[in-house]
Amino acid sequence: GAVVSQHPSWVICKSGTSVKIECRSLDFQATTMFWYRQFPKQSLMLMATSNEGSKATYEQGVEKDKFLINHASLTLSTLTVTSAHPEDSSFYICSAKARTEAFFGQGTRLTVV
Amino acid sequence: SQQGEEDPQALSIQEGENATMNCSYKTSINNLQWYRQNSGRGLVHLILIRSNEREKHSGRLRVTLDTSKKSSSLLITASRAADTASYFCATSNTGGFKTIFGAGTRLFVKA
Repeated sequence: GAVVSQHPSWVICKSGTSVKIECRSLDFQATTMFWYRQFPKQSLMLMATSNEGSKATYEQGVEKDKFLINHASLTLSTLTVTSAHPEDSSFYICSAKARTEAFFGQGTRLTVV
Repeated sequence: SQQGEEDPQALSIQEGENATMNCSYKTSINNLQWYRQNSGRGLVHLILIRSNEREKHSGRLRVTLDTSKKSSSLLITASRAADTASYFCATSNTGGFKTIFGAGTRLFVKA
């Protein structure tokens, strides 16, 4: 199957700093990628849809100025958590579509201290 | 927003028993997928069933789909301790676009 690589797998940052998470489709092109957030013992919540060459589409309740998404190429989307706070600590997962199936990265565990 | 509900929320069984998890969704779908997630880890894709399919098998997994009831079930037969994980259903809408996850079932298989 198709491979989606997410980096870093974990990161610890200080409150107030920004963190960038990368999502790459390694062996296919993805015009659309998706970003999810998962709090402990909860399900994955879709945050936004990342479209190559255009603005991301955010789900209701997700702050676009806080979670900056850039999809500059057909194989790379980035999520930047700006001015991170402890409540942003979570597991962030990206996915990319290849035909009808969604392939997921391994996730990034963000801890804001 | 999530569109799927899963039950049970948690399930504890003995090794060797079968585990059944159910998923319901709200809108028309293109396909439904089941994933496994070990604690704090990424997702493992288990099986995909298309909207025109009713049943699918993969090893010890059996998935059914009832589009009239907007529901699906995942059966794991002869469970093993290694099956302990959270299981999520996820649906893609008829545009085949977004993938939305259910609330998940936490399965614990006792050795």
